Amino acid sequence: DGGITQSPKYLFRKEGQNVTLSCEQNLNHDAMYWYRQDPGQGLRLIYYSQIVNDFQKGDIAEGYSVSREKKESFPLTVTSAQKNPTAFYLCASSSGAGGGNYNEQFFGPGTRLTVL
Amino acid sequence: GNSVTQMEGPVTLSEEAFLTINCTYTATGYPSLFWYVQYPGEGLQLLLKATKADDKGSNKGFEATYRKETTSFHLEKGSVQVSDSAVYFCALSGSITGGGNKLTFGTGTQLKVEL
Repeated sequence: DGGITQSPKYLFRKEGQNVTLSCEQNLNHDAMYWYRQDPGQGLRLIYYSQIVNDFQKGDIAEGYSVSREKKESFPLTVTSAQKNPTAFYLCASSSGAGGGNYNEQFFGPGTRLTVL
Repeated sequence: GNSVTQMEGPVTLSEEAFLTINCTYTATGYPSLFWYVQYPGEGLQLLLKATKADDKGSNKGFEATYRKETTSFHLEKGSVQVSDSAVYFCALSGSITGGGNKLTFGTGTQLKVEL
């Protein structure tokens, strides 16, 4: 079955530590995205990548970093510089950068990060 | 910039009641509009979409019509079930640097359906 996997489902981190969240897709999608979800605030875009070896900052990129070395993978690192990292993180992908603005984004199951 | 406003929840209904969740948007150009649903502890699933004015998206008994004149995309269902209990997000898709698309989400509306 095609889809997006995120691991782990729950993640705990001590203050001052970096942590990397995994996102893998087997949908052969070119574009991938990372969103952060906080209660009552909807989803906000952290980073996106439209092609391998290229990525762009979203609305709230500070304290985060990403890489896109493979089409299937788009890991997100939450660094110690992120002041309020406790949140639900969602990865998504869509079929193309040049396909117009109607391309559906498919979401993974999410990773809940808690900073202790 | 683009923005989406949807009615605040939580919304509590009895089973078989009629559902409306309001959504209005502000955008440049001609965005596509979406409703996503999120069940507890899960990611988002696309519920329905509309790509141009007057289009009606529908799925699983839910409907929404793209109204350009009122910049709205209200979600409706004639008879809700307990299994419809979830958080519903309205979103629009707009162009971003490099030719891709970015989703702008509303804050979500929690729906609880009781027997």
